[in-house]
Amino acid sequence: DQQVKQNSPSLSVQEGRISILNCDYTNSMFDYFLWYKKYPAEGPTFLISISSIKDKNEDGRFTVFLNKSAKHLSLHIVPSQPGDSAVYFCAASAYGSEKLVFGKGTKLTVNP
Amino acid sequence: NAGVTQTPKFQVLKTGQSMTLQCAQDMNHNSMYWYRQDPGMGLRLIYYSASEGTTDKGEVPNGYNVSRLNKREFSLRLESAAPSQTSVYFCASSPDRVVATEAFFGQGTRLTVV
Repeated sequence: DQQVKQNSPSLSVQEGRISILNCDYTNSMFDYFLWYKKYPAEGPTFLISISSIKDKNEDGRFTVFLNKSAKHLSLHIVPSQPGDSAVYFCAASAYGSEKLVFGKGTKLTVNP
Repeated sequence: NAGVTQTPKFQVLKTGQSMTLQCAQDMNHNSMYWYRQDPGMGLRLIYYSASEGTTDKGEVPNGYNVSRLNKREFSLRLESAAPSQTSVYFCASSPDRVVATEAFFGQGTRLTVV
């Protein structure tokens, strides 16, 4: 049973526009959520996170929104740049669990 | 500033052979992890170690063993490799041992079992 779901395998946007990547989770014990970016032939790198006590966290062009009632989070990238083209993974963890659970990823392509 | 270092970067094994993937981190992190990434499957946790001397199974532990040699090193062993273990393997570390916060990943090991 997949606890973290990224239902869009791919997303294509134009440079300068907004990219919105979505993630749903099923485990109500999750209280910490992260987004990772991965380029080909490299390891994933941490992008941004949010605790369940917040509903929004912003870092430059990246904003993560959390809707606990819907068990849904989204990553907004504004404005999108060609260098943002990568696979984005959503991940979640529960307090007291050392495990970080990942979704399957969404491949973002930003076209110049 | 090395971060998380994995060796080797590439490996081809024959079915039934054994090998150990090495991982070391220099960030004094408590928790370490081994993930595998397969097309369309995302990152799946194989084993993790919340602290030196402890290890626990993740989602897909069958066919693997691990060893947390010390705080810095966490190795993954394939005793008898199978084609289903063809994958990219990532080691990661995280500072906290109570909750999995930001994990830092190595560059990965691309393993092919023929």
